[in-house]
Amino acid sequence: KQEVTQIPAALSVPEGENLVLNCSFTDSAIYNLQWFRQDPGKGLTSLLLIQSSQREQTSGRLNASLDKSSGRSTLYIAASQPGDSATYLCAPLDGNTGKLIFGQGTTLQVKP
Amino acid sequence: ETGVTQTPRHLVMGMTNKKSLKCEQHLGHNAMYWYKQSAKKPLELMFVYNFKEQTENNSVPSRFSPECPNSSHLFLHLHTLQPEDSALYLCASGVPGDFNQPQHFGDGTRLSIL
Repeated sequence: KQEVTQIPAALSVPEGENLVLNCSFTDSAIYNLQWFRQDPGKGLTSLLLIQSSQREQTSGRLNASLDKSSGRSTLYIAASQPGDSATYLCAPLDGNTGKLIFGQGTTLQVKP
Repeated sequence: ETGVTQTPRHLVMGMTNKKSLKCEQHLGHNAMYWYKQSAKKPLELMFVYNFKEQTENNSVPSRFSPECPNSSHLFLHLHTLQPEDSALYLCASGVPGDFNQPQHFGDGTRLSIL
């Protein structure tokens, strides 16, 4: 059974810092992996989707990497801003079931 | 704007009430999903519908009854719920069988059971 762990659970940084959010998963048989953002009381917004054959994907200040064989993904946020404050969720798409399996998320606070 | 609209945004109900959650998507997708997000637990998939047919029931108690009358609308009928059913219920839509397309989520219904 696929299990997803995100570290750290919470993170507070001053504005302008570069930061890394970590995600690990137990079963490397995945189709792809998505990073989502969730604002308080809101739904999920897809940030990046990395195919299982890709090593990384970039969108603006966000860069996500994937090491499928070791079961790891990272989300790098450059020059963080207060507007980046949210919960970030990692979700590999399980290759056996075709389902998204979510981690519990990292709650990020960027202080002005 | 997500393209997936859920109503109501908040719902408070007693354990003996019957209510329904509604989801509507305007993205032309043919797959729709119900997820449950409880405090301090990861998001859990509940149901999947592809082309209006239920293809997945993730061992959800029968007090939750989904309905998908067409590819644009999805309902979750609730009856005789328990306090542990209090959670954020999220609807999502996607492209059936195309795992390279991301799912699109609504803002959810915050459900509180008294």
